[in-house]
Amino acid sequence: DVKVTQSSRYLVKRTGEKVFLECVQDMDHENMFWYRQDPGLGLRLIYFSYDVKMKEKGDIPEGYSVSREKKERFSLILESASTNQTSMYLCASSRSGSTSGSGETQYFGPGTRLLVL
Amino acid sequence: AQTVTQSQPEMSVQEAETVTLSCTYDTSESDYYLFWYKQPPSRQMILVIRQEAYKQQNATENRFSVNFQKAAKSFSLKISDSQLGDAAMYFCAYRSAFTQYGNKLVFGAGTILRVKS
Repeated sequence: DVKVTQSSRYLVKRTGEKVFLECVQDMDHENMFWYRQDPGLGLRLIYFSYDVKMKEKGDIPEGYSVSREKKERFSLILESASTNQTSMYLCASSRSGSTSGSGETQYFGPGTRLLVL
Repeated sequence: AQTVTQSQPEMSVQEAETVTLSCTYDTSESDYYLFWYKQPPSRQMILVIRQEAYKQQNATENRFSVNFQKAAKSFSLKISDSQLGDAAMYFCAYRSAFTQYGNKLVFGAGTILRVKS
């Protein structure tokens, strides 16, 4: 079974702190994603990566950065946490599709619930 | 840009009964994938069912089936013989078949399904 793990289930940080959220997958997937989940808004893509050291902005990248130094690990960084970044953060991974695209399944981690005070 | 709309914030069903969750989407593309994901309380999100837009036949997975109406851009999920374990948040998601858009999913806001015993 695919396993996607996230470093923390719950996190409490202060405004202005630098926050690292870590995600690790064990299935050698090329693609990794960071979403945030907010009530009434569903999941929104922050960043994704399709290879080591490669990244692309999603729909809401402002205030976030990412790092992918190894294939299995994808980190989300909040450079200076703000209260409006209080949310549930979900990491996902998937294998890469063919050049014409494919509906490869995304596998999700358990989520990190972040509270910024 | 593609959008996904789930118009039912909450639904309830009696155990052993059938329930249908609605999803509509907006796209100008002709080839894409549609997904239903389930997020149980405090547990990881998992894929329930997926549909390729080029396939006319509706996907089924045991008690779960979809009604895919491409012209109407509608993708509803039917759960038959509902069980207590079906209680969860359900998300409808869209993915382009064209890799220029990456592999990202566009999610609806979600529908909370409650199952009554």
